[in-house]
Parts: sequence; structure tokens; C-alpha cells
Amino acid sequence: AQSVTQLDSHVSVSEGTPVLLRCNYSSSYSPSLFWYVQHPNKGLQLLLKYTSAATLVKGINGFEAEFKKSETSFHLTKPSAHMSDAAEYFCVVSDLKSSASKIIFGSGTRLSIRP
Amino acid sequence: EAGVVQSPRYKIIEKKQPVAFWCNPISGHNTLYWYLQNLGQGPELLIRYENEEAVDDSQLPKDRFSAERLKGVDSTLKIQPAELGDSAVYLCASSLGGRLQETQYFGPGTRLLVL
Repeated sequence: AQSVTQLDSHVSVSEGTPVLLRCNYSSSYSPSLFWYVQHPNKGLQLLLKYTSAATLVKGINGFEAEFKKSETSFHLTKPSAHMSDAAEYFCVVSDLKSSASKIIFGSGTRLSIRP
Repeated sequence: EAGVVQSPRYKIIEKKQPVAFWCNPISGHNTLYWYLQNLGQGPELLIRYENEEAVDDSQLPKDRFSAERLKGVDSTLKIQPAELGDSAVYLCASSLGGRLQETQYFGPGTRLLVL
């Protein structure tokens, strides 16, 4: 069975500084991992996804994430935060090979950007 | 390209009343998902359709919740009777195919308040 843990419920950074949102997962098979972003009053939008290709995945708006199997992590990073990055971020896991595969969302990390 | 459309955006009802939500997925998307999102939590999958077939409804509380996707396009999710604990945001998403590594496109959600 799969599970996903977002280690921080709230992260606050200054504009122009790096962003790190942490995600750990548990999966019995080959996981597919995603990061989605949810801006207030807008639908969830895919930032990036890992599906067993390159372990370093680049997404939209300068975000990237690295799949580390040994650490069961898929942390989201961005070199320089922008005010428009303030939103809720969700890490998502699903198994590619499990017949009982589910799509599991983490509980979310709220990112605040200080001017 | 039009995104996923949901209506209504907001709904306030009294407990024990019925309520229905409607979703129109992106044209050509065969897979449709309904999620429940409680405040401060990540979305939880209620049901997943591939065309007209519900392929995963294991998390749908079938005593009061029902869903249908006639003709494999639009879908409705119904609650009857509603309970106070059903207050949440109901999200609809669609994807081109049914593989769980597919990108999902989300609608803005319907915010339900049960009094």
C-alpha cells in the first residue's frame, strides 16, 4: 500500500530565497510521484511528475524535484521564491504496478512568501 | 481549451437535504475523478470512472453518496441525505487515459456547507 507524508504543514520564506518543500513516500512497487499546486480559489494544477524516467524532474515556474529511492523522498525545490509562489502544495503518490493501486495525496504544505 | 467545469461553485443546505454536484470534464478525457477535500487536508478520491464504468468506488460512502457518468462525459455526484460532516470541497478532475501516472486536470471545486 502507498502512503505519503509532507513533513511541514507550513513553510515561510523571504522573496528571492530558496524554497524546499519536503515529501516522503511509501510504496510497494514502482511509484509515480507528483507535485500539485493549489492557489486560492483556483483548481489544482500539476507542477511536475516522476514516472520512472530521469530522477531529477523539472516542472513549471522554475520548480524541480528529485526522486531519491534510497531515502524514499521526493522533495520540491526552487532556487528563488517569488510572491506568486504563495499557495498550497500537495505531494501525490500512486503505484504503477500494483493491482490495488490508489492515488494518495499528502496533507499539503502551505507556502508563504515574505516581501 | 476549456478546463474542467463544475457547478455550483457554492452550496448551502440544511442537514438531511439532498444535494447534487455536476462536472463537465475536458473534451476527449476518458477518465473522471471525484475527490473530497476537507479543510486543511489533501483531496481524497471518492470514485474514478473510465468512460461510463466506475473502476474504483471503494472510498465512496454508498449509504448516502451516489454518482453517475451517463454517456461517458458529464458526471453528477449526489448526497442524500446530507450530514453536517459532509461540509467540504468536492473536486472533479479528468485525465486523457486511465493510467494512474496520467496528469489530472482539476476543476475549481464545489464548496458545500451543511447547516
